[in-house]
Amino acid sequence: KAGVTQTPRYLIKTRGQQVTLSCSPISGHRSVSWYQQTPGQGLQFLFEYFSETQRNKGNFPGRFSGRQFSNSRSEMNVSTLELGDSALYLCASSRTGQMDEKLFFGSGTQLSVL
Amino acid sequence: GNSVTQMEGPVTLSEEAFLTINCTYTATGYPSLFWYVQYPGEGLQLLLKATKADDKGSNKGFEATYRKETTSFHLEKGSVQVSDSAVYFCALSENNFNKFYFGSGTKLNVKP
Repeated sequence: KAGVTQTPRYLIKTRGQQVTLSCSPISGHRSVSWYQQTPGQGLQFLFEYFSETQRNKGNFPGRFSGRQFSNSRSEMNVSTLELGDSALYLCASSRTGQMDEKLFFGSGTQLSVL
Repeated sequence: GNSVTQMEGPVTLSEEAFLTINCTYTATGYPSLFWYVQYPGEGLQLLLKATKADDKGSNKGFEATYRKETTSFHLEKGSVQVSDSAVYFCALSENNFNKFYFGSGTKLNVKP
């Protein structure tokens, strides 16, 4: 069974640009959540999607957005990139997003903003 | 609000040593508590969890007990191996659609 797949693995962008990251969940998983991991702030929750609907959102500015497609694949977009957006972005999936389910993480997309 | 505080690393131990990584939490409700592990170049993996007070989670020789009176969930292992070298994250969730609050992570280095 394939795991959570995130593409690309690495990205280098410059300030002001925008970027789109992709996440393919485990087959049968309909809940996809996104986290930002930085050395200073640790892991911080961005948002969660289920059946193409955002159900939960963390405390990030509106430059961070996401969406989910009918096949459960998800994308997140960051517009007008800032240096502080440099981070490892992790995607996680589970069947329905309930707490007693096991959450599976991808290996992440490492974004560097120059 | 919700938050998790865990001991800073890195923690360096010799093989077969006893491990404790401290974790305390603040929560508004009745959270479930988790330990996740991240090996180099990989995503996080669930190590163990506990869903209510006095529950003990265990896996691969690791244990942690949910202590409501001290708001703690310390991770322990009696005898660490080199293969346990990784970053360990304590986390809580209040059943809010995979919204977890993570600690800052503790890097463990085990030397042969």
